Amino acid sequence: AQSVTQLGSHVSVSEGALVLLRCNYSSSVPPYLFWYVQYPNQGLQLLLKYTSAATLVKGINGFEAEFKKSETSFHLTKPSAHMSDAAEYFCAVSRGGGFKTIFGAGTRLFVKA
Amino acid sequence: NAGVTQTPKFQVLKTGQSMTLQCAQDMNHEYMSWYRQDPGMGLRLIHYSVGAGITDQGEVPNGYNVSRSTTEDFPLRLLSAAPSQTSVYFCASSYTRPGTGVTEAFFGQGTRLTVV
Repeated sequence: AQSVTQLGSHVSVSEGALVLLRCNYSSSVPPYLFWYVQYPNQGLQLLLKYTSAATLVKGINGFEAEFKKSETSFHLTKPSAHMSDAAEYFCAVSRGGGFKTIFGAGTRLFVKA
Repeated sequence: NAGVTQTPKFQVLKTGQSMTLQCAQDMNHEYMSWYRQDPGMGLRLIHYSVGAGITDQGEVPNGYNVSRSTTEDFPLRLLSAAPSQTSVYFCASSYTRPGTGVTEAFFGQGTRLTVV
């Protein structure tokens, strides 16, 4: 069975500070991992995905995530937070070749001026 | 392309009423799914479909029915609404990129349902 754990339901950073959103996964097979972002009253938008091609994955809006198999982690980072980054972020895992994607509970990011 | 379109955006139901949430996609994706989003629980899979005429249950199927008569449409029916079904519902359309096995989901903007 696969699962995803996001550490921290809320994260608050100052504008210009580092953003770090934590995600750990559990999977019996090599996983495909995703980060989605959800802005208020919107659907989910794909931020980036890990497909085993490279362990450091770059996404949209300056975000990136590093796959660490030894730590079963896929943390999301951004060097400098912007007010427009305030949103909810979801880590997700799938086995690939299908569509059953399992989502974490989400982390809401607040950005202070 | 409109992507994934959900209607309505908002709905209030009385306990015991039935209704259908509509979902349509214009990307010719075979896979479609319905999720519900509740605070602190992320998205939970209700039902999914791998193609026209084929549907199956997800994690939380009770109280919901689906059908898939065409590739484009995947409606979700609430048979007898209960307050526990108050949630935000998302429809997703997915495809698996050839040669990679990676599935990417595209989401609609959601339907906010309140059952009183």
